[in-house]
Amino acid sequence: DQQVKQNSPSLSVQEGRISILNCDYTNSMFDYFLWYKKYPAEGPTFLISISSIKDKNEDGRFTVFLNKSAKHLSLHIVPSQPGDSAVYFCAAIPIQGAQKLVFGQGTRLTINP
Amino acid sequence: DTEVTQTPKHLVMGMTNKKSLKCEQHMGHRAMYWYKQKAKKPPELMFVYSYEKLSINESVPSRFSPECPNSSLLNLHLHALQPEDSALYLCASSQPTGGHFSYEQYFGPGTRLTVT
Repeated sequence: DQQVKQNSPSLSVQEGRISILNCDYTNSMFDYFLWYKKYPAEGPTFLISISSIKDKNEDGRFTVFLNKSAKHLSLHIVPSQPGDSAVYFCAAIPIQGAQKLVFGQGTRLTINP
Repeated sequence: DTEVTQTPKHLVMGMTNKKSLKCEQHMGHRAMYWYKQKAKKPPELMFVYSYEKLSINESVPSRFSPECPNSSLLNLHLHALQPEDSALYLCASSQPTGGHFSYEQYFGPGTRLTVT
């Protein structure tokens, strides 16, 4: 049973436009959410996170939005750059489970020039 | 130094072999993790060490044996593996903050394991 779902396996966006990656979760006991970026032959790299008590967190070109009632979060990248082409994983941490990251399946983002 | 290193990068082993994967970090992190990632799947947690003690074992078969000799090193000893154990094995670490560990985990590049 996949508790964290990224329903789009891939996404293609033109350079300079906005990239929106989506993530849904089923477990209302998740307390904290993170986005990781992964290039081939490298480990996942932490990008941005959000606590369940917030609905938005922004860091430069990256913004994460959380809609708790819909159990949905999204990552916005604007403007998109060629170096953003990678696989993006959404991850969640349950309450009192601070060390247990539960990952989604990932979305491959391709930025076209 | 903000890096988690893993050796070897690639490993091919037979089902009767014994091998070890190694992970190292020098960021002062006191939690270290092993994840397994199959192709086109997300990473799945295997083990967590907190302050050099095993704190989480996600019901991993005993043919995988973790070891944390000190706060910077994490090993994964492999014995009598099956072909279905072929995967990317990722190591991660996180730092203590307040009374718990930081949610952000830092990952190494992984070891690509093939069991023949």
